[in-house]
Amino acid sequence: GQNIDQPTEMTATEGAIVQINCTYQTSGFNGLFWYQQHAGEAPTFLSYNVLDGLEEKGRFSSFLSRSKGYSYLLLKELQMKDSASYLCAAMDSNYQLIWGAGTKLIIKP
Amino acid sequence: GAVVSQHPSWVICKSGTSVKIECRSLDFQATTMFWYRQFPKQSLMLMATSNEGSKATYEQGVEKDKFLINHASLTLSTLTVTSAHPEDSSFYICSARDVQGADTGELFFGEGSRLTVL
Repeated sequence: GQNIDQPTEMTATEGAIVQINCTYQTSGFNGLFWYQQHAGEAPTFLSYNVLDGLEEKGRFSSFLSRSKGYSYLLLKELQMKDSASYLCAAMDSNYQLIWGAGTKLIIKP
Repeated sequence: GAVVSQHPSWVICKSGTSVKIECRSLDFQATTMFWYRQFPKQSLMLMATSNEGSKATYEQGVEKDKFLINHASLTLSTLTVTSAHPEDSSFYICSARDVQGADTGELFFGEGSRLTVL
């Protein structure tokens, strides 16, 4: 079956770095997405990886290893506003997104 | 980036009534839109794929007669929750891809509609 695994909750300190891991199993693969979702709001796009390697975009970076079915989202210089849920989603061969349950990130001062 | 607008943001209704939620792509044409439901502290659950000019494709377990989807134009899809009950209370979100633009695979989401059925 198709499955996405990511931690339920993580806690980090303001100014620090945090890595949110995601493993996936899909029927075919057309890319891995990361979305940020604040409570009560719609998700917002963070990144898309389809090739192996690291994609850097400001304070956020995303990594993909297709052979391992593994991705991570790296957040640097954490700010209080980064407190949110981070959703990992893999696109299967039918271009359907398979969503993880999300990782709730709590930032402490 | 492309903009998707969803309306209404909040709706409260009595049990047994029907509620319509609109999803519009404001600056691009969306032949396909997606409707999701999200319960508190849970991830997005795809309900159906809305196809312009044809019937929607529903995910397993989603009642097509209860959740009516109409995608009559390239910029508008509507979701109607018929005979709503308290268990239908949820956050409903639509999304679309701008496949005619610089399609990065990114899904553009509407703001979401929070439905509360009394």
